[in-house]
Amino acid sequence: NAGVTQTPKFQVLKTGQSMTLQCAQDMNHNSMYWYRQDPGMGLRLIYYSASEGTTDKGEVPNGYNVSRLNKREFSLRLESAAPSQTSVYFCASTIGLGSGTVNRKNIQYFGAGTRLSVL
Amino acid sequence: DAKTTQPTSMDCAEGRAANLPCNHSTISGNEYVYWYRQIHSQGPQYIIHGLKNNETNEMASLIITEDRKSSTLILPHATLRDTAVYYCIVRVAGTGGFKTIFGAGTRLFVKA
Repeated sequence: NAGVTQTPKFQVLKTGQSMTLQCAQDMNHNSMYWYRQDPGMGLRLIYYSASEGTTDKGEVPNGYNVSRLNKREFSLRLESAAPSQTSVYFCASTIGLGSGTVNRKNIQYFGAGTRLSVL
Repeated sequence: DAKTTQPTSMDCAEGRAANLPCNHSTISGNEYVYWYRQIHSQGPQYIIHGLKNNETNEMASLIITEDRKSSTLILPHATLRDTAVYYCIVRVAGTGGFKTIFGAGTRLFVKA
């Protein structure tokens, strides 16, 4: 049981380049999230997907797009990378609004992160 | 979601109990308290959660005051590997974790 898997682990881009960060979970969770974390800061929500087929903006969505490819996979795309997007990106998942003990539906499981540098 | 307030940093001697406080004075009756931690460069890790009763698991204990306006996470025998940022979060159960707000948390330093 791998949990939440993110690829790649590290990436260096030049300004203006595009790339897609991949995230997959094998826990049959309904909801998935993308966060970014800048040095010394807390996590900020970029986008989330409450269930397969739906996506919504979080706190800092500008410059990003997402795709909920299927129940397992949730990708984050940077169309034209900027130095301000240098950060560590974390993907997470929760049981969400599906079946399961009500008070455990909020528990988030995180991936190991993708460290992105934009030069 | 109720706002939480945590100290910026705390120190603890190795082998001693680490007590991390969290204030959530505006918590509503159906909101749970969740604790996570983030060890350097890793993704956050769920620790424990509770509604109004004290909770204990293999990682920690959670003490919630009777009025539920504050809580304390207790690591009974802190080790150097417990050095991390600890996040206290208040959320309504069953909402799937949408838009969970992770603040700055408390940076715990466990010293030998």
